[in-house]
Amino acid sequence: DAKTTQPPSMDCAEGRAANLPCNHSTISGNEYVYWYRQIHSQGPQYIIHGLKNNETNEMASLIITEDRKSSTLILPHATLRDTAVYYCIVRVGVKTSYDKVIFGPGTSLSVIP
Amino acid sequence: EAQVTQNPRYLITVTGKKLTVTCSQNMNHEYMSWYRQDPGLGLRQIYYSMNVEVTDKGDVPEGYKVSRKEKRNFPLILESPSPNQTSLYFCASKRQGVSGEQFFGPGTRLTVL
Repeated sequence: DAKTTQPPSMDCAEGRAANLPCNHSTISGNEYVYWYRQIHSQGPQYIIHGLKNNETNEMASLIITEDRKSSTLILPHATLRDTAVYYCIVRVGVKTSYDKVIFGPGTSLSVIP
Repeated sequence: EAQVTQNPRYLITVTGKKLTVTCSQNMNHEYMSWYRQDPGLGLRQIYYSMNVEVTDKGDVPEGYKVSRKEKRNFPLILESPSPNQTSLYFCASKRQGVSGEQFFGPGTRLTVL
């Protein structure tokens, strides 16, 4: 199973871009990279996901390296409400009959005024 | 409103007293899953279900049971709770397929004395 490695914590100034890295060097060619966040013991919230190409939505951008061994989540203008634990996960298994998601410790992002 | 609901949100119980945590989703999702979250360990999957009457073990299934008699409901059963099952529990659901976000419930904080 592909696993991910993230820094345990990061700080970001309010209004600046937050760049959260994730390593997934054992990712398989048909596995997706997902990002979720969790605000203070609430249920995790989906942010974005991608396979090969960079992706952007109203919340964030996802940059995946060409070799797919790492990715970066970008919050373009971080606000205090973005303070949360961010999880980078890889979807394990591609058959529709098998779906397993592994969450690691994540990165605790603190947005500082 | 599309959502995943869990009940109860908070529960304090004693060792050995059977309990059930309910989970319900109104999005007609095929896939549902239970996670537990403990400090320093991230989110760990307990059980998941690909559809009605189809369940399988996640990473930490010992001491838990689940059932999926209806598409919308996926209760988590602790037949004989022990203190090491004190944790924050999350239910999640998603549409079946290769990719797609998981929707998480608000969480159930369980304390077993």
